[in-house]
Amino acid sequence: DAGITQSPRYKITETGRQVTLMCHQTWSHSYMFWYRQDLGHGLRLIYYSAAADITDKGEVPDGYVVSRSKTENFPLTLESATRSQTSVYFCASSAGTGENSPLHFGNGTRLTVT
Amino acid sequence: GNSVTQMEGPVTLSEEAFLTINCTYTATGYPSLFWYVQYPGEGLQLLLKATKADDKGSNKGFEATYRKETTSFHLEKGSVQVSDSAVYFCALGLNTNAGKSTFGDGTTLTVKP
Repeated sequence: DAGITQSPRYKITETGRQVTLMCHQTWSHSYMFWYRQDLGHGLRLIYYSAAADITDKGEVPDGYVVSRSKTENFPLTLESATRSQTSVYFCASSAGTGENSPLHFGNGTRLTVT
Repeated sequence: GNSVTQMEGPVTLSEEAFLTINCTYTATGYPSLFWYVQYPGEGLQLLLKATKADDKGSNKGFEATYRKETTSFHLEKGSVQVSDSAVYFCALGLNTNAGKSTFGDGTTLTVKP
């Protein structure tokens, strides 16, 4: 099915562990994004990518790593999880900029760090 | 820099009431404007968009008009339903911003029967 899928849907991990959140899109969109959503902070951009092998930091990149070896995949890794990284994480993609920049979002990963 | 300011919520309405959620923006250049809706437990979905001044975006009974003179993009619906209960986000996108969108903080709408 066409779309953008995130996995896992829910994840509980311990402080200090590494965890990777997966994101896959089937539209061949150039742009992909990772956001976190927290009460009182709205959506905050963690990292984004304009194309395969091109990534850049967003508003809150510390503690996160991304890669984009293939256009359709954009995994987000928490190298050493902290409680402050408990959040809902959304992956999104878009075809371009300006009027072509409407985002297509996945259904999110709810991450709890204990 | 670019920014989007939304009317603070939460907003609670009775079914069939008129809805307005205010959105104003600041942008360098000529942005495209969007409204997204987020239902509980889901990601955001594009609700409507407008790409130039005086354009009106519409979808599912919702409308918003791109007003350059007031830098606004207010969301309206004439008669809300319980199923419209969700969080609504205003956003802008620029050709010069590497595909990144700027989002407002979201407005939670609850519609009571």
